Amino acid sequence: AQSVSQHNHHVILSEAASLELGCNYSYGGTVNLFWYVQYPGQHLQLLLKYFSGDPLVKGIKGFEAEFIKSKFSFNLRKPSVQWSDTAEYFCAVNAATNAGKSTFGDGTTLTVKP
Amino acid sequence: KAGVTQTPRYLIKTRGQQVTLSCSPISGHRSVSWYQQTPGQGLQFLFEYFSETQRNKGNFPGRFSGRQFSNSRSEMNVSTLELGDSALYLCASSLGLAGGVGTYNEQFFGPGTRLTVL
Repeated sequence: AQSVSQHNHHVILSEAASLELGCNYSYGGTVNLFWYVQYPGQHLQLLLKYFSGDPLVKGIKGFEAEFIKSKFSFNLRKPSVQWSDTAEYFCAVNAATNAGKSTFGDGTTLTVKP
Repeated sequence: KAGVTQTPRYLIKTRGQQVTLSCSPISGHRSVSWYQQTPGQGLQFLFEYFSETQRNKGNFPGRFSGRQFSNSRSEMNVSTLELGDSALYLCASSLGLAGGVGTYNEQFFGPGTRLTVL
C-alpha cells in the first residue's frame, strides 16, 4: 500500500524567506509524484509533477521539487516566499501502473507574514 | 479546453437522507476518481471509474457508491447520510490509460462539492 508523510503540519515564514516542505512516500514500485496547492476558498491546483527523467522539476510560481529515489523523498522548495503563497500544500503519489488512485499527505499549512 | 466540473457546488442534507453528486471530466478523459476531503482525515481516495467500470476502491463503507456513464461523466451516491459525511468531495479526471506513463497519469481536479449534513 502507498503512504505519504509530510513532515510539517504548519509552517510560518516571513516574506522573502526560503521554503522547504518535506515529503516522504512509501511504495515499492515506480511512482508518479505531485505537489498540489489549495489557496483559501479555492480548489486544488497542481504545482508540479514528476513522472521520470530529471529528478529536479520546476513548477509554477517559482516552486521546484527534487525527487531523491534512495530516500523516497520529494521535497518542495521555493527560494523566496511571498505573502500570496499562504495556502495549504499537499504531496501526493500514485503508482505508475495504477494512476487513478492517488494517496495524499496530510498537508502543510504555510502562513507567510508580510 | 473546459476543466473538470462538479455539480452542485454546495449541498445541505439531513442525517438519513441520500445524496448524488455529479462530475463531468475533461473531454477525452476516461478515468474519473473521487476523493473526500475533511479537516480531520485529509484527502482520502473513494473510488475510480474507467470506461464505466470501477477500477479502484478505497476504504469507505458500502453507503458510498458510484457509477460512470458512456460519456465518462460520473456520479457518486451516499446513502443514509451521517454527520461525519460532511466534507468536500473532489472529482479528478485523467486519460487513465492502463500502463500509460507521464501525462496519461496526471489527474485534474474539479472545484469540489461541499456537502453539509445536519
